[in-house]
Amino acid sequence: GAVVSQHPSRVICKSGTSVKIECRSLDFQATTMFWYRQFPKKSLMLMATSNEGSKATYEQGVEKDKFLINHASLTLSTLTVTSAHPEDSSFYICSARDPDRGGYTEAFFGQGTRLTVV
Amino acid sequence: AQKVTQAQTEISVVEKEDVTLDCVYETRDTTYYLFWYKQPPSGELVFLIRRNSFDEQNEISGRYSWNFQKSTSSFNFTITASQVVDSAVYFCALSLQGGSEKLVFGKGTKLTVNP
Repeated sequence: GAVVSQHPSRVICKSGTSVKIECRSLDFQATTMFWYRQFPKKSLMLMATSNEGSKATYEQGVEKDKFLINHASLTLSTLTVTSAHPEDSSFYICSARDPDRGGYTEAFFGQGTRLTVV
Repeated sequence: AQKVTQAQTEISVVEKEDVTLDCVYETRDTTYYLFWYKQPPSGELVFLIRRNSFDEQNEISGRYSWNFQKSTSSFNFTITASQVVDSAVYFCALSLQGGSEKLVFGKGTKLTVNP
C-alpha cells in the first residue's frame, strides 16, 4: 500500500524556538495532505488541509501564523511550529491519499511526531 | 456537521474473549465513508477497514468483523478471540465523498487485552 513517512518521530525543543515536521508520500503524489493533532488520551483533531501549490486551509481555532504549513511539492508537506510553547507539546500526525488508486481510498498516516517543548 | 461517537472510553478483556467496539455516526449526507483505525502504543495509525454508505454488507477479516447498520447509524467492530497484541486505541472515523475530504474521528476506545 501507499506509504507516508513523517520526520522526525520525536523532537524536544526549547520554548521560543521553531520546529519543522516533514510529511512525505513515498510512492505516490499527494495533492492534498492533512495535519492532525492529538493530545494525550484524546482524539485526533484536524488542524489544517495542506494543498500543493496553494495556501493551506486551517480549521477554526488553529493559529495559521503559529502553525505554518507549506506544500511545495506533490510529495512533501511541512508543518512548522513557530515560537513554540509548552502547551504546543503534542502528537502531530499527517495523512495523505493516493488519488491514482481509483475511487475513494483510505488515508495513509505518517508515523507521527511527538513534540515536547521545554 | 459530521460527528462520530465512541461511547466506550476503555475496555478491558481477558485473552480469547470476544469484544465489540461501538461506533455511532451523524451526518446529513447520503454519501459518506466510514473507517476504523488502530493506534498501538507506538502511535502510528493503522488502517483496518473502509466502508461506503451504499454498502451495508458486513465484513469479516480473520478475527475482525464489522457490522454496518444505516438504520441505527452504527458501524461496530468486533474482535473474536482477542489477543494481547490487539491492545491498542481504536478509532472510528467518518468522511464525506471525495478524495480530498478530511476525516472526523471519534474519541477512540482503548482496548486492553490481558493474558
